[in-house]
Amino acid sequence: DQQVKQNSPSLSVQEGRISILNCDYTNSMFDYFLWYKKYPAEGPTFLISISSIKDKNEDGRFTVFLNKSAKHLSLHIVPSQPGDSAVYFCAASEDTGTASKLTFGTGTRLQVTL
Amino acid sequence: GAVVSQHPSWVICKSGTSVKIECRSLDFQATTMFWYRQFPKQSLMLMATSNEGSKATYEQGVEKDKFLINHASLTLSTLTVTSAHPEDSSFYICSARDSERWGYGYTFGSGTRLTVV
Repeated sequence: DQQVKQNSPSLSVQEGRISILNCDYTNSMFDYFLWYKKYPAEGPTFLISISSIKDKNEDGRFTVFLNKSAKHLSLHIVPSQPGDSAVYFCAASEDTGTASKLTFGTGTRLQVTL
Repeated sequence: GAVVSQHPSWVICKSGTSVKIECRSLDFQATTMFWYRQFPKQSLMLMATSNEGSKATYEQGVEKDKFLINHASLTLSTLTVTSAHPEDSSFYICSARDSERWGYGYTFGSGTRLTVV
């Protein structure tokens, strides 16, 4: 049972344009959401997070939007850069305690072309 | 920011042998660490939650006798793959969270590529 889904396995965007990565979840108990970037054979790198009490969080070129009623979140990267090419995972947890578990989505491979 | 060190980064072992992977929080204390496994082109799957000073909590389907976890100090958790078989070949990643820097999310180690031949 995949509780966090990223329906697009891959996405190709031209440099300078906006990249929009989507994520859907089914568990209504999820309260905190995170986006990670991952290169092959490396651990994920934290990008940005959002609490369920917010609908938007912005950090530089990265903005995460949360639509709790639709159980949907998205990551916007603008402008996209070639160095953004990687696999992006969304993740969710039920609380913010130090022992709270992360459930990961299936990942979306972003390719930013010149 | 919070740093998690994982060692080794890759290991090749023979079938039937055991392999130990270490995960250290370098600049913070972690009462809880997490161990994940990732198969090629798949998501990260949580294997177990490592609790300092107590037994690990394993996810459904993960054999606790095969994947031994020890969290003896606030900065070190180890995962030992016992009697490894080729199907255990995978990418193993640990993570931890600094409770004083929640805004930075969970920090992951660099991962360990295990190949069992």
